[in-house]
Amino acid sequence: EADIYQTPRYLVIGTGKKITLECSQTMGHDKMYWYQQDPGMELHLIHYSYGVNSTEKGDLSSESTVSRIRTEHFPLTLESARPSHTSQYLCASSDSHRNEKLFFGSGTQLSVL
Amino acid sequence: QKEVEQDPGPLSVPEGAIVSLNCTYSNSAFQYFMWYRQYSRKGPELLMYTYSSGNKEDGRFTAQVDKSSKYISLFIRDSQPSDSATYLCAMKGNRDDKIIFGKGTRLHILP
Repeated sequence: EADIYQTPRYLVIGTGKKITLECSQTMGHDKMYWYQQDPGMELHLIHYSYGVNSTEKGDLSSESTVSRIRTEHFPLTLESARPSHTSQYLCASSDSHRNEKLFFGSGTQLSVL
Repeated sequence: QKEVEQDPGPLSVPEGAIVSLNCTYSNSAFQYFMWYRQYSRKGPELLMYTYSSGNKEDGRFTAQVDKSSKYISLFIRDSQPSDSATYLCAMKGNRDDKIIFGKGTRLHILP
């Protein structure tokens, strides 16, 4: 079983609020990722990190930001949530030598009213 | 044209049947081909991984890659209700490239 954890599992919040989605892994993986998943759509990479103090934007434009201060922790922040941010957010990590094998968390389902 | 095409289903088959799931792709540079399984309200998990062309078998699961046709398949033999999930194909070019996912096919195995 993957040792990667996301909190909260579900979040319902009003427009304009600041939110942080937490992601932690205990496998010592250098690489971590944030994906966005909508029903019937592909997983889209929105942020990734190849190590501490390294963050990059993914293929899908996102108004969120990320930080990587510790290897095990990769939080995602939305400064001002909007209804268009409603989605499932999945965090993943991988070993540098086998990055075809992503370990995913169970996701955070975000609903912005 | 999307880089990876996958029929979203749903696909419903009776227990014990052989299931065939497929993806096509357009980027001839793809070398790494994966199948992820995602249960409801869970994150995806890697099921099968193949490098370049050929077949790979793991228990009831067989992954096939045909690079000449840009077509990959996942076969499930003796399907079980516990196989009911969404199956996502995924692929990438070089070792350090980012992974491109298909939309996923929802599979229901009927008892």
